[in-house]
Amino acid sequence: EPEVTQTPSHQVTQMGQEVILRCVPISNHLYFYWYRQILGQKVEFLVSFYNNEISEKSEIFDDQFSVERPDGSNFTLKIRSTKLEDSAMYFCASKQMGRGGVETQYFGPGTRLLVL
Amino acid sequence: KNEVEQSPQNLTAQEGEFITINCSYSVGISALHWLQQHPGGGIVSLFMLSSGKKKHGRLIATINIQEKHSSLHITASHPRDSAVYICAVPRTTGNQFYFGTGTSLTVIP
Repeated sequence: EPEVTQTPSHQVTQMGQEVILRCVPISNHLYFYWYRQILGQKVEFLVSFYNNEISEKSEIFDDQFSVERPDGSNFTLKIRSTKLEDSAMYFCASKQMGRGGVETQYFGPGTRLLVL
Repeated sequence: KNEVEQSPQNLTAQEGEFITINCSYSVGISALHWLQQHPGGGIVSLFMLSSGKKKHGRLIATINIQEKHSSLHITASHPRDSAVYICAVPRTTGNQFYFGTGTSLTVIP
């Protein structure tokens, strides 16, 4: 069964460093998402991406964050200058159909980011 | 204000017990999702439902749109069912979700 994959599974970085989290969505999916979950808290939406541009973003997704689909398969989340509070599990998800559909988002296994 | 409320927050059950996790929401929805988060953190989508009931193996999900309530049931629970179960509803505009805080289930052998 096709699945969303994410790399790395874990990343430790120094505060102020840039990190890039990578995701390979399911190949025929059109919508892509990043979510994060700070330890012990709810999953939070960060951004959605469609047709090579951001379609929505939350207030969490400030100028430190950016997303890119550099080729036909990868979907990346970049944090330019990490802060301690960026430590969280980051989930990528993808969906086949467009807005308004009730189709399922498929989640990746997550990248656990620790900022020291 | 939480748009999605789950109960209980924590649940411990003996193997074999019938388990019910509840989700109430305050927003209009087109569908509701039940997700399972494994101890390692990975998230799996269990169900997406917009009406009635769905069954997958020992898992059953029901939804009552009028009452804005959904339940996830696990029959004949097993230790491998131990996980956090999250209820999520999509916002009516756009692609975001409202997530519940999750129910942490531990099934003891």
